[in-house]
This record gives sequence, structure tokens and C-alpha cells, in this order.
Amino acid sequence: AQKVTQAQTEISVVEKEDVTLDCVYETRDTTYYLFWYKQPPSGELVFLIRRNSFDEQNEISGRYSWNFQKSTSSFNFTITASQVVDSAVYFCALSEGYSGGGADGLTFGKGTHLIIQP
Amino acid sequence: DTGVSQNPRHKITKRGQNVTFRCDPISEHNRLYWYRQTLGQGPEFLTYFQNEAQLEKSRLLSDRFSAERPKGSFSTLEIQRTEQGDSAMYLCASSYGVDEQYFGPGTRLTVT
Repeated sequence: AQKVTQAQTEISVVEKEDVTLDCVYETRDTTYYLFWYKQPPSGELVFLIRRNSFDEQNEISGRYSWNFQKSTSSFNFTITASQVVDSAVYFCALSEGYSGGGADGLTFGKGTHLIIQP
Repeated sequence: DTGVSQNPRHKITKRGQNVTFRCDPISEHNRLYWYRQTLGQGPEFLTYFQNEAQLEKSRLLSDRFSAERPKGSFSTLEIQRTEQGDSAMYLCASSYGVDEQYFGPGTRLTVT
């Protein structure tokens, strides 16, 4: 069965600090997709990134970067020079098989509540 | 592109009553998903449609829950004989084929 673990329940940092959110996943499939979503206080989940299991290249998008390591089954998310607007709950999610978007639905972790203090 | 919309945004109902929620996906998206999220937890998958066909149901979807997507456009999720344990945020998402899912703002259900 697939599982996503986000061990950090809450992280609090001061603005401009770098912060890394951890995500560890379990799956028996060799083909799968990993996702990160942001849920700000308004409540709507915002898609950040999708990565397939065959692409271990790290990705950078502005202040955001993602580190995918199959050897440790991890897909960590780093925010550089954090800002107050980054405060939100961040979810890591997994989808097995070729469906990509998740024909069986996404399996989410419990989320990490990130607090950026001014 | 107006995004995924859900109505109502909030619903308060008494235990035992039936409720129905509506989801309008992004117009060109052929896949539609329902999730449930309780406080402090990540969303949990309930069911999924490809066009008008309901292709997958989670064990979480008890017999009191039913979902439809007539004509492959909007979808409705009905809960019959609501229980206090049904109180949660109900999220709808849509995607185009195997692309990533985009979520709506959710319907918060409170059962008193």
C-alpha cells in the first residue's frame, strides 16, 4: 500500500531563513508520481510541482526547489529566503501507476504547517 | 479559465438530514475527483470520474454517499442520513487526462 510521511508537523522560522520540508514515501510500483501542494489559510490547495519516478533531476522554481532521491524514497521541498506569504500548510502526495494525475486518487501526507515570522 | 468551483462553500445540517454538494470542474478537464479533509489531516480520496463514468471508489465512501457526474460536466456528491463524523471539508479536483489535479475551494460541512 502506498504511504506518504511528513514527519514535521509544524516548522517556525524567521523571515529570510531557508527552510526544508521533508517527505518520505512508500510504494511498490516502479512508476509513480510525487506532488507538492500548498494550502494557505484561505483553504484552497494550490498545485506546486509534479515529478515522475523516472526523473530524479532536482528542480528549481524561483525561491522553491525540490530534491528527489529514490534511494531514500524522499522528495524534499526547500524554500530559500522565506517570506511571510509562504506561511501555509504544505502537503506532499503520491500517485501510483501510469495515471499521472492519479486514477486512484492522490495519497497525501498529513502536511507540515509552516509559519514564517516577520 | 475560471478554476474549479464548489457550492455551497459552507453547509450546516442536523444529524439525519441529507445534503448535496456541487462541483464544477475546469471546463476542458475530463477527470473529476472528490476528497474529504478533516482538521489537521491531508485530503483523503473518495471517488473519481472520467467523463461521466465513476471509475473508482474508496473504502471511505460508505453506502450513504453517492456521487454523479451527468454528461461528464459538473458533479454532485450526496450524503444521506448525515452523521457527526461526516463533518469535514469536501474537496473537488479536476484534471485533463493524466495531468496534475487542480482543487476547488471546498465545501465545509458541519453536522450538529
